[in-house]
Amino acid sequence: GAGVSQSPSNKVTEKGKDVELRCDPISGHTALYWYRQRLGQGLEFLIYFQGNSAPDKSGLPSDRFSAERTGESVSTLTIQRTQQEDSAVYLCASSIPGQSYEQYFGPGTRLTVT
Amino acid sequence: AQSVAQPEDQVNVAEGNPLTVKCTYSVSGNPYLFWYVQYPNRGLQFLLKYITGDNLVKGSYGFEAEFNKSQTSFHLKKPSALVSDSALYFCAVRERSGNTPLVFGKGTRLSVIA
Repeated sequence: GAGVSQSPSNKVTEKGKDVELRCDPISGHTALYWYRQRLGQGLEFLIYFQGNSAPDKSGLPSDRFSAERTGESVSTLTIQRTQQEDSAVYLCASSIPGQSYEQYFGPGTRLTVT
Repeated sequence: AQSVAQPEDQVNVAEGNPLTVKCTYSVSGNPYLFWYVQYPNRGLQFLLKYITGDNLVKGSYGFEAEFNKSQTSFHLKKPSALVSDSALYFCAVRERSGNTPLVFGKGTRLSVIA
């Protein structure tokens, strides 16, 4: 079956512009996560969606970052007024709900802010 | 607060030799523990997890890891390294209670030399 997909794979944008990153989780996976991976760093948690519950936004670094999810499918991560420090790979993951279940990751979107 | 330490940024090993990639963690209570691998320009791939039961868990590609509660460690091992094992390896932890996201270490780059 299809894995987690993300688009675009690469995005170059000018400082100050807004960007939208998309994630399509595995069908049937009601839990969806966004992470950020800066060069040479581990993954930083950004936001978590689980079904119809209120999302856990505790990892969002500033109010320029927001995310939406349509039902239990597609999610969009939006970064407004991008800054150079936003340059990173943004990874999406999905899982079956339950703490013991592993997360399945998409290939990521590489964002470069010039 | 949860945390994961991967004390080695880089591990070099000759092909055919055993390899160990170290991971220690800090979490309240008993953890769920995971190892992921990241190949160049690819997303993270799940390798193995410890949930409960045997402290030695076996995963994909011949990898295994041993959960050591007293040392709060979860080192990744393989008896005989392959050049194709060269990649970036991430250890991750989550608490058993609540819907907390995974907390990742900074990663260890493994280079297997022919």
